[in-house]
Amino acid sequence: KQEVTQIPAALSVPEGENLVLNCSFTDSAIYNLQWFRQDPGKGLTSLLLIQSSQREQTSGRLNASLDKSSGRSTLYIAASQPGDSATYLCAVRPDAGGTSYGKLTFGQGTILTVHP
Amino acid sequence: SAVISQKPSRDICQRGTSLTIQCQVDSQVTMMFWYRQQPGQSLTLIATANQGSEATYESGFVIDKFPISRPNLTFSTLTVSNMSPEDSSIYLCSVLGGAIYGYTFGSGTRLTVV
Repeated sequence: KQEVTQIPAALSVPEGENLVLNCSFTDSAIYNLQWFRQDPGKGLTSLLLIQSSQREQTSGRLNASLDKSSGRSTLYIAASQPGDSATYLCAVRPDAGGTSYGKLTFGQGTILTVHP
Repeated sequence: SAVISQKPSRDICQRGTSLTIQCQVDSQVTMMFWYRQQPGQSLTLIATANQGSEATYESGFVIDKFPISRPNLTFSTLTVSNMSPEDSSIYLCSVLGGAIYGYTFGSGTRLTVV
C-alpha cells in the first residue's frame, strides 16, 4: 500500500526566503507526482506535475524535483511571499492500469506561513 | 486542462438530513472522483464515478451513505445521506485532465453538520 509523507508538517518563514518542502513515498511504481496548493476551506490548485520519467519541473518561482528510485520529491519556492501562505500537498498516481488506476494517494500536507 | 464547477461551496445542515453536491465539467471525461477531507486531514478517495455504470466505492464508504449519480460525461452528484456531525468535512470532485495536466479539482464543498 502506497504511503506518502510530507515534511515538515508546518513551516513559518519571513518574506523573501527560499524554502524547500519534502515529500516521500514508499512505492516507487508511480506514474507521476503532482504538487497542489490548498487555501483554507477551498479546493486544490495544481502547481506542478512531474511524470515518472522526468527529474524536475519549473513554473515561475516554483521548482519540483523527483527521484523516483529513492521515493522522494521536493518543492522549492524561491523568494517567498505572503501570498504563498497555504497548505501544500503532494500526491502520487500509481502506474496506469489495474484497480489502482486513478487513485491518487495524498500526503498530509505542509502548512506554509510566510510573514511580512 | 478541464475546469470544474462545484456547488454548493458551503452549507450548514441539520443532522439526519441529506445534501447533494454537484460537479459540472467543461469537457467530457470518462471518470470522476469524489474525495473527502476531514478537518485537519488529507484527502481520502470516496468513490470513482463512471458514466453508465455503478460507482466504485473505496473501503469504508458505502453506496447507501454516499450515493453517486453520473448521468453523462460532464456531470456527477454526490449525496451525503442521513448526516451526522462526523460528516462535517470538505468534499471535492476531481477529474483527470490528461497525462499532461494531471488531476483537476473542484473548488470544494465545505459541509458542517449541526
